[in-house]
Amino acid sequence: ETGVTQTPRHLVMGMTNKKSLKCEQHLGHNAMYWYKQSAKKPLELMFVYNFKEQTENNSVPSRFSPECPNSSHLFLHLHTLQPEDSALYLCASSQGRTSGREQFFGPGTRLTVL
Amino acid sequence: GESVGLHLPTLSVQEGDNSIINCAYSNSASDYFIWYKQESGKGPQFIIDIRSNMDKRQGQRVTVLLNKTVKHLSLQIAATQPGDSAVYFCAESTGSTDKLIFGTGTRLQVFP
Repeated sequence: ETGVTQTPRHLVMGMTNKKSLKCEQHLGHNAMYWYKQSAKKPLELMFVYNFKEQTENNSVPSRFSPECPNSSHLFLHLHTLQPEDSALYLCASSQGRTSGREQFFGPGTRLTVL
Repeated sequence: GESVGLHLPTLSVQEGDNSIINCAYSNSASDYFIWYKQESGKGPQFIIDIRSNMDKRQGQRVTVLLNKTVKHLSLQIAATQPGDSAVYFCAESTGSTDKLIFGTGTRLQVFP
């Protein structure tokens, strides 16, 4: 595997379900990101992790819970979501501000909340 | 049904013509800028970047121009091809953060 991978690619869930999105980067990067992309808004940054530490939480509701066990893996745990949370969730990674700010994106998880 | 989505500006060009996509940024302290291409069903893909100590940078068939005086960024695509059809995003960043702030995007449509 190369680059940034995300699973699942598509997810349909009810409002009472609990699910997790997974992201893995194979680039040796130190920073990882979660973004939300919906039809109604531009690309929105949700969370930033640097060296496994969360450095940014962009006022994201607590029904979204990120986890970064190591620099290569990033999870987004979902629970009691709302229909308006339906969107494309994108993961990205970068070397970090001291080495390179270009972010590499995964293909995204298309989430539908019923 | 769903409410109306985000309205993206659209640029329609004929195959073989040059395309120019414009972007206005907001933060005069931004020192790094980047262009992404996003095709339907895919994540954004890096095209080209530029730092604020430059005003022009060229890649393969693409050129980015930066005008810091008016906080304007443009992406020029030479000899536009059908495969260039996508949504193009600009993003800005400052040296003190890992964050990229994205614009709303421009849809490029290439017709034969």
